[in-house]
Amino acid sequence: EVQLTESGGGLVQPGGSLRLSCAASGFSFNSFGMSWVRQAPGKGLEWVSSLSESGGNTYYADSVKGRFTISRDNSQNTLYLQMNSLRAEDTAVYYCARRFWSGYFDYWGQGSLVTVSS
Amino acid sequence: DIQMTQSPSSLSASVGDRVTITCRASQDISNYLVWIQQKSGKAPKSLIYAASSLQSGVPSRFSGSGSGTDFTLTISGLQPEDFATYYCQQYISYPYTFGQGTKLEIK
Repeated sequence: EVQLTESGGGLVQPGGSLRLSCAASGFSFNSFGMSWVRQAPGKGLEWVSSLSESGGNTYYADSVKGRFTISRDNSQNTLYLQMNSLRAEDTAVYYCARRFWSGYFDYWGQGSLVTVSS
Repeated sequence: DIQMTQSPSSLSASVGDRVTITCRASQDISNYLVWIQQKSGKAPKSLIYAASSLQSGVPSRFSGSGSGTDFTLTISGLQPEDFATYYCQQYISYPYTFGQGTKLEIK
């Protein structure tokens, strides 16, 4: 069974940093691209970032480019999102998702809440 | 960026009804469209990919159609567990973009 479990969320002050993790199990992690999608309170879904199976290709939304870094450790079956220079508008539930070979997200984690506030 | 526009934004229906949600892309996305269901406080769940292919385990009362710029999600014979918010999303190119969502409520 495919499982994606996010961790690392919490309360952080504006300008601070946080690193999210997504532990994957139940599939061959190094065979799939992975992504992060977020949802601000009461709002819709917003794609944040994606990376390829090897981690060699990365993609970012303009809203986080230069501040967030996506990475993966295939030996640990774990996806990461390093978030720096956090802003109030980054407050959201962050979901990791597995990217099927054709491009869509076929499995989603349960989410991790990040709150940016003083 | 490709804009995705859903209609309606909200919809009231009864158990057993047939409902249709539409999604329009601002440019041709071929069939690179997925429909996503999200129940209140829960993680999203992908239902239909490639515009019309049912994800494994999804009931056959869900169906999708369309290609190019216009797409529809149809639920035939609404069940109580279907009341949720539905999103469309294009995945032909980055940045991936979502529709604003359609909230399906019980009448």
